[in-house]
Amino acid sequence: GDSVTQMEGPVTLSEEAFLTINCTYTATGYPSLFWYVQYPGEGLQLLLKATKADDKGSNKGFEATYRKETTSFHLEKGSVQVSDSAVYFCSMNSGYSTLTFGKGTMLLVSP
Amino acid sequence: EAGVVQSPRYKIIEKKQPVAFWCNPISGHNTLYWYRQNLGQGPELLIRYENEEAVDDSQLPKDRFSAERLKGVDSTLKIQPAELGDSAVYLCASSGQGTTEAFFGQGTRLTVV
Repeated sequence: GDSVTQMEGPVTLSEEAFLTINCTYTATGYPSLFWYVQYPGEGLQLLLKATKADDKGSNKGFEATYRKETTSFHLEKGSVQVSDSAVYFCSMNSGYSTLTFGKGTMLLVSP
Repeated sequence: EAGVVQSPRYKIIEKKQPVAFWCNPISGHNTLYWYRQNLGQGPELLIRYENEEAVDDSQLPKDRFSAERLKGVDSTLKIQPAELGDSAVYLCASSGQGTTEAFFGQGTRLTVV
């Protein structure tokens, strides 16, 4: 069945460091891919999305490229800030209108 | 534009008691979801509505959980009776027709003691 696997956290970085959070998926067909972010005590906010192969989603300095050949959608940011500390969820929608989520990766950024 | 609104934000109940959660989706969104998020995990779908019809409730524990979406707008999720294992964050989300992303409310954190 459909599934999303993302790297376990926490990921601990210093401010201005480079961030990569790995995400791979298993799906029938060609899903849309998303990254959501969850700040403490809050719901999930859509960070970025990509709907077809080779698309690059970007928002607030974060980027992720839809790689069909490796079934991956890794999240990157060139220079993280303390305010980026949150839990990041990779997810997909394989066309049945239901999002499938990974387990989440906590990011902790220190000054 | 207002986002997805959920209430209450927090709820503490004793086991075996009933509890209900309410959700008002983004105006015009036909699809409404209820997800459950256990501590340290990603959200898992409980039920999905297209307008007032429940089109995917395969993961809803029907012996104790029920949901309704009267008139295809706001929705209520109920648990009766609650068990200790129901402690979690219950998230409501909605999406517009022809779109693949969902927009989430802030969630209701349920603690069963």
